[in-house]
Amino acid sequence: DAKTTQPPSMDCAEGRAANLPCNHSTISGNEYVYWYRQIHSQGPQYIIHGLKNNETNEMASLIITEDRKSSTLILPHATLRDTAVYYCIVRVGNSGNTPLVFGKGTRLSVIA
Amino acid sequence: DAGVTQSPTHLIKTRGQQVTLRCSPKSGHDTVSWYQQALGQGPQFIFQYYEEEERQRGNFPDRFSGHQFPNYSSELNVNALLLGDSALYLCASRKGLAGITGELFFGEGSRLTVL
Repeated sequence: DAKTTQPPSMDCAEGRAANLPCNHSTISGNEYVYWYRQIHSQGPQYIIHGLKNNETNEMASLIITEDRKSSTLILPHATLRDTAVYYCIVRVGNSGNTPLVFGKGTRLSVIA
Repeated sequence: DAGVTQSPTHLIKTRGQQVTLRCSPKSGHDTVSWYQQALGQGPQFIFQYYEEEERQRGNFPDRFSGHQFPNYSSELNVNALLLGDSALYLCASRKGLAGITGELFFGEGSRLTVL
């Protein structure tokens, strides 16, 4: 079973920041937070991951609370192409063969 | 640089038949995983192959089997198809087993319909 809780759906206006929350209250000390997204009719796409520090890359920023029980994925300037299902996953980071366990994710709709 | 490629993209089978799905990993990758995604659900892990051996397996019956070839490509076989096997089957690849590498690269999937 997925170890994360996400809202089933969210809307965001085009050009605004999209903030997607994720609760992972039972996260262990050696588990990382990963975010993937799945655009309709495509395979999931890696976005970002982190352990306890905030992370930023060309796609998004990841903010993890100090107690690590929740996190927020931020898309700073959402576009229509960001409409997708976003999955928050916790996974042991130092074992590459630990499979990703997907929940149902959050369906983000970016509206013009 | 080709990403993960899967074939066929769509196929229709009837109950009781057998199906084989194929996957070529991203260039430089040697580890292949298979996931099943039912409509409206997140992907569910089936199994992972590395060095031509099954390394991890999810909660799927023995009707689901796989193979990895020396060139790292992989096949997923499903025997005695059931209606509930209708799903999008995703292949994902990465380099190596260990490490904190974040990215798992997914193909666009093979959509199987069982009638």
